[in-house]
Amino acid sequence: EVQLVQSGAEVKKPGESLTISCMTSGYIFTNYWIGWVRQMPGKGLEWMGTIYPGDSDTRNSPSFQGQVTMSADKSISTAYLHWGSLTASDTAMYYCVRGSGNFDYWGQGTLVTVSS
Amino acid sequence: EIVLTQSPGTLSLSPGERATLSCRASQSVNSRYLAWYQQKPDQAPRLLIYGASSRATGIPDRFSGSGSGTDFTLTINRLEPEDFAVYYCQQYGSSPLYTFGQGTRLEIK
Repeated sequence: EVQLVQSGAEVKKPGESLTISCMTSGYIFTNYWIGWVRQMPGKGLEWMGTIYPGDSDTRNSPSFQGQVTMSADKSISTAYLHWGSLTASDTAMYYCVRGSGNFDYWGQGTLVTVSS
Repeated sequence: EIVLTQSPGTLSLSPGERATLSCRASQSVNSRYLAWYQQKPDQAPRLLIYGASSRATGIPDRFSGSGSGTDFTLTINRLEPEDFAVYYCQQYGSSPLYTFGQGTRLEIK
């Protein structure tokens, strides 16, 4: 059974750094793209970027370029999303997703709250 | 940049009725890369339709997708209480690589 299990909710202050994770199982991690989708409170879905764990090739949305960093650890089938310096506008639910073309599996989401 | 516009914003129907949701693209989309998702409150979205008309695993056959070019439709026949949710269309292939529509809220009348 394919599963994407994300790390728990985070509460951070502006300017702090943060890494959230997406642990996968049930399929060959290096064979599928893993993406990240943001959903701000009460809003729609926004694609942030995607990474191919096989060779760490990445594709970024222009809207998020330079704001976040994606990575993947093949040894533990886990993908990561990192912020170097959070702002209040990063407050949102973040989903990891599997796939290319469409997203057939979704993580449960990680709620990130940034507040002073 | 491809923009997907969904209509209506909110659709109010009763169980047993048929829902017709529209997704219009600002440029032609490859039908292979047009998908629909359902999101219920406090849940992650789930894939319903891919390739414009193929149902994802486990999706009931009352859900169907159609369309090509710039106009795509999600139809839900005989609405069940669990179908009331928000629906998003999504395209792949043009910059940005993935784009979602703004969503249609299907609510109980």
